[in-house]
Amino acid sequence: GENVEQHPSTLSVQEGDSAVIKCTYSDSASNYFPWYKQELGKGPQLIIDIRSNVGEKKDQRIAVTLNKTAKHFSLHITETQPEDSAVYFCAAGASGTYKYIFGTGTRLKVLA
Amino acid sequence: NAGVTQTPKFRILKIGQSMTLQCTQDMNHNYMYWYRQDPGMGLKLIYYSVGAGITDKGEVPNGYNVSRSTTEDFPLRLELAAPSQTSVYFCASRLRQGGNYEQYFGPGTRLTVT
Repeated sequence: GENVEQHPSTLSVQEGDSAVIKCTYSDSASNYFPWYKQELGKGPQLIIDIRSNVGEKKDQRIAVTLNKTAKHFSLHITETQPEDSAVYFCAAGASGTYKYIFGTGTRLKVLA
Repeated sequence: NAGVTQTPKFRILKIGQSMTLQCTQDMNHNYMYWYRQDPGMGLKLIYYSVGAGITDKGEVPNGYNVSRSTTEDFPLRLELAAPSQTSVYFCASRLRQGGNYEQYFGPGTRLTVT
């Protein structure tokens, strides 16, 4: 069945450094790739997404890259801050379906 | 807008008991979803609905039931609770049109079955 693998499961970085989280998907029909941030005790919240017709998208300190050939997409956070500490989930979905497959999450700790 | 609201926030059930997790959204979204989140396992889709009166199974539907009588409400029913249903449950909703695929999540319900 469809699968999304996410790595690493935990990531610790020093404040100000960059963090990269990687995901691989299996369904070639996937064309929508969101990233969600989940803070402790809260539901996931969308932070950035990318469609398959775009290779990269940036929003201030956050960027997502997509390699459709390799079925990889990555989240890049630059100049990390303590408030970036959270669990991050990637997901993949295909237009025409209503469902997204989520990765298993990455717990990011930004050390002050 | 309150967004997606879920009740209760926490619940402890005994094995064999039943309960309903409530979910309401006030954004007039067509699609609604129920996920469960187990430690280190990400989000697994239990059931989803594309509109009032229409529901369908996700990846892990066994032991659960849903209904969608209105656009706003999407309750999740647990019959004969089992320890394997101990989890955090999230409801989400999404607008259908306009190419907007963002799912909006509720704050979650933490359920323990003992």
